Amino acid sequence: QSALTQPASVSGSPGQSISISCTGTSSDVGSYNFVSWYQHHPGKAPKLIIYEVTERPSGVSIRFSGSKSGNTASLTISGLQAEDEADYYCCSRAGTRDVVFGGGTKLTVL
Amino acid sequence: EVQLVESGGALVQPGGSLRLSCAISGFTFSSYEMSWVRQAPGKGLEWVSYISNTGSIIFYADSVKGRFTSSRDNAKNSLYLQMNSLRAEDTAVYYCARYYGGWYYFDYWGQGTLVTVSS
Repeated sequence: QSALTQPASVSGSPGQSISISCTGTSSDVGSYNFVSWYQHHPGKAPKLIIYEVTERPSGVSIRFSGSKSGNTASLTISGLQAEDEADYYCCSRAGTRDVVFGGGTKLTVL
Repeated sequence: EVQLVESGGALVQPGGSLRLSCAISGFTFSSYEMSWVRQAPGKGLEWVSYISNTGSIIFYADSVKGRFTSSRDNAKNSLYLQMNSLRAEDTAVYYCARYYGGWYYFDYWGQGTLVTVSS
């Protein structure tokens, strides 16, 4: 299956809110409520920030939220902070046992 | 503290082989499913393989099927990825990750190990 589509980059100023979209198809994002999001600072371990579309793991800031409509999932980060600057990846169930990732979005905090 | 530490990455010639390891600590390894995920230079993440908690169920992405073999040693708290017939397109940072198969997400990841396939 093809990778999910994410914008290559987004940017925002400290304190602002931004959203990152993740567009799939009716075979992945559109069919399942199993979308997860990962924050990745290069050279470090990726970090789970959202799972099952809207759920936040313990310890993840409430500034991170997820949603889904049709074949598109979204990650919203409110109250942008400098440490949010990272790469963000979405991931979706894509079949009985498959998952597919997005191409990644580089977030720049201006 | 949960820790996953990959090792074994190296420069290898096309057609060569390499074995990656992932040392786990901080949780009961034998209770969890695991996966390997890779990231080619300048590219996004790509799921590579899945292994059940007992090692009895394993499956692979089409891009590596027949060339890569995942295994685990629960007594040693270790996950492995044997990579054969390596190609230039296998060049990537390889991550091991703890996987919630019923919910299709990866909750803990290692920092990765770099595999470069080049002559």
